[in-house]
Amino acid sequence: AAGVIQSPRHLIKEKRETATLKCYPIPRHDTVYWYQQGPGQDPQFLISFYEKMQSDKGSIPDRFSAQQFSDYHSELNMSSLELGDSALYFCASSSIRDRITDTQYFGPGTRLTVL
Amino acid sequence: GIQVEQSPPDLILQEGANSTLRCNFSDSVNNLQWFHQNPWGQLINLFYIPSGTKQNGRLSATTVATERYSLLYISSSQTTDSGVYFCATTTGSNTGKLIFGQGTTLQVKP
Repeated sequence: AAGVIQSPRHLIKEKRETATLKCYPIPRHDTVYWYQQGPGQDPQFLISFYEKMQSDKGSIPDRFSAQQFSDYHSELNMSSLELGDSALYFCASSSIRDRITDTQYFGPGTRLTVL
Repeated sequence: GIQVEQSPPDLILQEGANSTLRCNFSDSVNNLQWFHQNPWGQLINLFYIPSGTKQNGRLSATTVATERYSLLYISSSQTTDSGVYFCATTTGSNTGKLIFGQGTTLQVKP
């Protein structure tokens, strides 16, 4: 079965640079979530989109922005990178239309290292 | 907001042993999922279980929503079971964002 695809899998950036992370949800899933997991931490919710509209926002820095496109893929844009942004970034997708379960399926993550 | 607490924080087992991991949550929930994060960082869905009991091979889970806890049972543990186990919930807001517990780190020794 198709899974959530994230790219790139690994990314190394310098401080103050920008980064773009991409997420391709499971086909026919209409909702995308972004989470950030710091070293030794649990994943923290950043932002979510339903049908290309932002549906919820967590502790996402103002330096970060995200959007969901017409084909349902999503991009997380990160500017003025700081050392503390080094983390594993997960994208997850689910289907609101699925009345049986609203299970979120996670992608493999993008490991961002800021030097 | 909702609080999610997992216990124990760390667990070391000998291969073949059984274990029970616990997840307590402070409010009623719409969703409860158990995940296994392997040493490579991948979050693998184990169960979607807002209530009731499910089994999948050597793993089973039970959620008692009225008492606000969920249990994950691992039987005949294997070294490949090592990693971090997270439970995560959503609340009545229906936005779907998952609130994670702090995880249980499991090490299974051969």
